[in-house]
Amino acid sequence: NAGVTQTPKFQVLKTGQSMTLQCAQDMNHNSMYWYRQDPGMGLRLIYYSASEGTTDKGEVPNGYNVSRLNKREFSLRLESAAPSQTSVYFCASSDLVGLAGEQFFGPGTRLTVL
Amino acid sequence: QQQVKQSPQSLIVQKGGISIINCAYENTAFDYFPWYQQFPGKGPALLIAIRPDVSEKKEGRFTISFNKSAKQFSLHIMDSQPGDSATYFCAAGRRGGKLIFGQGTELSVKP
Repeated sequence: NAGVTQTPKFQVLKTGQSMTLQCAQDMNHNSMYWYRQDPGMGLRLIYYSASEGTTDKGEVPNGYNVSRLNKREFSLRLESAAPSQTSVYFCASSDLVGLAGEQFFGPGTRLTVL
Repeated sequence: QQQVKQSPQSLIVQKGGISIINCAYENTAFDYFPWYQQFPGKGPALLIAIRPDVSEKKEGRFTISFNKSAKQFSLHIMDSQPGDSATYFCAAGRRGGKLIFGQGTELSVKP
């Protein structure tokens, strides 16, 4: 039982490049989330998926797209990376459909955009 | 109405002391208030959580105090240990909704 896994762990991009961050969970959770963590700003929700087949914007969705590929996988795509997207990205999942319950986090992806 | 404000931003405590971190929320519809602990290079992990029908919840050395009328809640770490050194996040959410996180508190417990 690996919990929530994220790939890659580290990535360096040049401005304008694109990339996809991958996330998978093996806990059969319905809800999945993408956050970014910046110093002094806590965790800010980018997008979330309450269930397979649905996605919704969070606090800071601009510049990102997501895909809920199936119940296990939720990917985050940067179409044209900008230096302001330099951050640590966390994926999380939770198991309470329709309730704000415990979220389990992955180990994070540290992204630098030059 | 969606903000959660957390203080202090950083905290230094001597071993054996009490660490106190405070949070304030605005949305009275929030009904779930967790605290997450994050070690360097790791993802956050749930430490303890409370719902607004109780004023206090204790798990070992960790206690959440909740003041519904003031829209505030706090984390107390009794007998703080160097192994407690981490970043702590409060959060708030409501049934069917998402979690809103505070800005984080970096705790350092000195031996």
